[in-house]
Amino acid sequence: GQQLNQSPQSMFIQEGEDVSMNCTSSSIFNTWLWYKQDPGEGPVLLIALYKAGELTSNGRLTAQFGITRKDSFLNISASIPSDVGIYFCAGHTGANSKLTFGKGITLSVRP
Amino acid sequence: DTEVTQTPKHLVMGMTNKKSLKCEQHMGHRAMYWYKQKAKKPPELMFVYSYEKLSINESVPSRFSPECPNSSLLNLHLHALQPEDSALYLCASSQSGDRNNEKLFFGSGTQLSVL
Repeated sequence: GQQLNQSPQSMFIQEGEDVSMNCTSSSIFNTWLWYKQDPGEGPVLLIALYKAGELTSNGRLTAQFGITRKDSFLNISASIPSDVGIYFCAGHTGANSKLTFGKGITLSVRP
Repeated sequence: DTEVTQTPKHLVMGMTNKKSLKCEQHMGHRAMYWYKQKAKKPPELMFVYSYEKLSINESVPSRFSPECPNSSLLNLHLHALQPEDSALYLCASSQSGDRNNEKLFFGSGTQLSVL
């Protein structure tokens, strides 16, 4: 089955720094979704990507759909304490496919 | 409005209890989902309803029973659960569930503890 790889499991950055996280697979994906989850809450959709090479921004967040369609990247600029949480990538591979999730990256921001 | 509302927020139940989780969305979405999530793990799909019909059951034990009374509501009936069923239960919705590129919108979840 399709797998999405996110690593490392945890990232620690200083407030104000930029951070980049990626999501890779051996399978081709048609859609990439990036979610953020706070403790005890549901995942919140940050960015959706639909075309290879697509670059989309949402405030301080920018995500890209990789040219090979096997990866995606999320960048957070000028991090702030409320960026703390778990970031999941997710994607669809084809017709009637279920949404596949990566294992998530836990981001910590030091003030 | 991209809100999916789940109740209750927290639930504690014994192994002989019967309880229900409720989910509601008013975005006009025709697909609704139940996911189970353990701490620090990704959500795991349980059930999908598309146009009020059950389209996917991921081999979930019969002690979990979904119900979709109408296109805006989704319930999950719980009976004779085990302690290992303790988890965050997430409801989600998407536009139609028929396409392979849909965005899922999640509720804030019900944190279930089975004693």
